[in-house]
Amino acid sequence: GAVVSQHPSRVICKSGTSVKIECRSLDFQATTMFWYRQFPKQSLMLMATSNEGSKATYEQGVEKDKFLINHASLTLSTLTVTSAHPEDSSFYICSARVLVPFEQYFGPGTRLTVT
Amino acid sequence: AQSVTQLDSQVPVFEEAPVELRCNYSSSVSVYLFWYVQYPNQGLQLLLKYLSGSTLVKGINGFEAEFNKSQTSFHLRKPSVHISDTAEYFCAVGRDTGRRALTFGSGTRLQVQP
Repeated sequence: GAVVSQHPSRVICKSGTSVKIECRSLDFQATTMFWYRQFPKQSLMLMATSNEGSKATYEQGVEKDKFLINHASLTLSTLTVTSAHPEDSSFYICSARVLVPFEQYFGPGTRLTVT
Repeated sequence: AQSVTQLDSQVPVFEEAPVELRCNYSSSVSVYLFWYVQYPNQGLQLLLKYLSGSTLVKGINGFEAEFNKSQTSFHLRKPSVHISDTAEYFCAVGRDTGRRALTFGSGTRLQVQP
């Protein structure tokens, strides 16, 4: 089946620094990838929709200047958390959509801890 | 807009007993329905999905779900659970228009006890 990877799986950074998270579709091409955020013991909340070759679409309340998304190829989307603060600590999960009706494959997630 | 309600935040059950995890949705248009399982510190794994056709959907690990349009429900069932089924379960809905992202319920923690 289709596989989506995320790197890194865990990252600890200091407040004020930036962190980049990669999301890759390993054996298929994805024109659309989604980025979700999950707080402990809570559900997934959609942050943004990443489209290859165009600007990402952000959900209401998500700061696009803080969470920079780049979808430079059909197999790679990146999320950069700029000037991270402790409240940005969370579990970030990406998913990739394939060109069949409604198939999405999820990455294993990235645990970000900002100290 | 669409929304998903998972009525139980936690469901404790003994091993080999049957279980039902409830999910109700609301949407002004036709939707697709999904159940995902999440183990600690991992991503989501698709259990099953309803896109069209038969309202009884069978998935992996012995799970099944029934789409009930009149009751706007998509409850997940398993006739006999194992310890390894202990995990968080998410119901999700999506549309085949617009951004096509999924809307997730709040999750149900299934705790299987020996």
